[in-house]
Amino acid sequence: AQTVTQSQPEMSVQEAETVTLSCTYDTSESDYYLFWYKQPPSRQMILVIRQEAYKQQNATENRFSVNFQKAAKSFSLKISDSQLGDAAMYFCAYMDTSGTYKYIFGTGTRLKVLA
Amino acid sequence: DADVTQTPRNRITKTGKRIMLECSQTKGHDRMYWYRQDPGLGLRLIYYSFDVKDINKGEISDGYSVSRQAQAKFSLSLESAIPNQTALYFCATSDFDSGGINTGELFFGEGSRLTVL
Repeated sequence: AQTVTQSQPEMSVQEAETVTLSCTYDTSESDYYLFWYKQPPSRQMILVIRQEAYKQQNATENRFSVNFQKAAKSFSLKISDSQLGDAAMYFCAYMDTSGTYKYIFGTGTRLKVLA
Repeated sequence: DADVTQTPRNRITKTGKRIMLECSQTKGHDRMYWYRQDPGLGLRLIYYSFDVKDINKGEISDGYSVSRQAQAKFSLSLESAIPNQTALYFCATSDFDSGGINTGELFFGEGSRLTVL
């Protein structure tokens, strides 16, 4: 069975600095998607970034980028120039594309941004 | 207005009561999901539906039931609520894009916080 592990329950970063959130996963599939979702205090879940496993190029979205290491089954999120609005819970997620398209979520990392 | 709407947003109830959480969406998506969020456990899938006639159990379906009344509506019921069902519940939708590709993005409602005393 697939699993997603976020080993950092909580992280802190100084405003304007860079922080990296870790995620590892386990799967025997070769084709899948990986995601980072953000959950601010408003509790609305918002997609931050997506990576298709067949793509070697790391995804980027403005200040957010990922380091996707398929062989190591690692998918970390880098937030550059951290802003107060980045403070939130971040969830790593895996979706299999073999037919069921079910998601597996990690347990989350709470990011605090210090002014 | 939100594309995925959940009601109620917050609810406090007593053990043994029947509770229904409702979800409606205007995104036109066929796929709908109910998740439960607990601190330290992330989101876990309760039930999912790929169309009106297709309902599937997720990893933690015991104690829950669902109804897909229409493409746009997917309700979650707790027949006899118990305290360990206290959690934040999310409805979500997903679908294929115009090119027939499942982009994988889940579109979430704002969550229903349920407290069972």
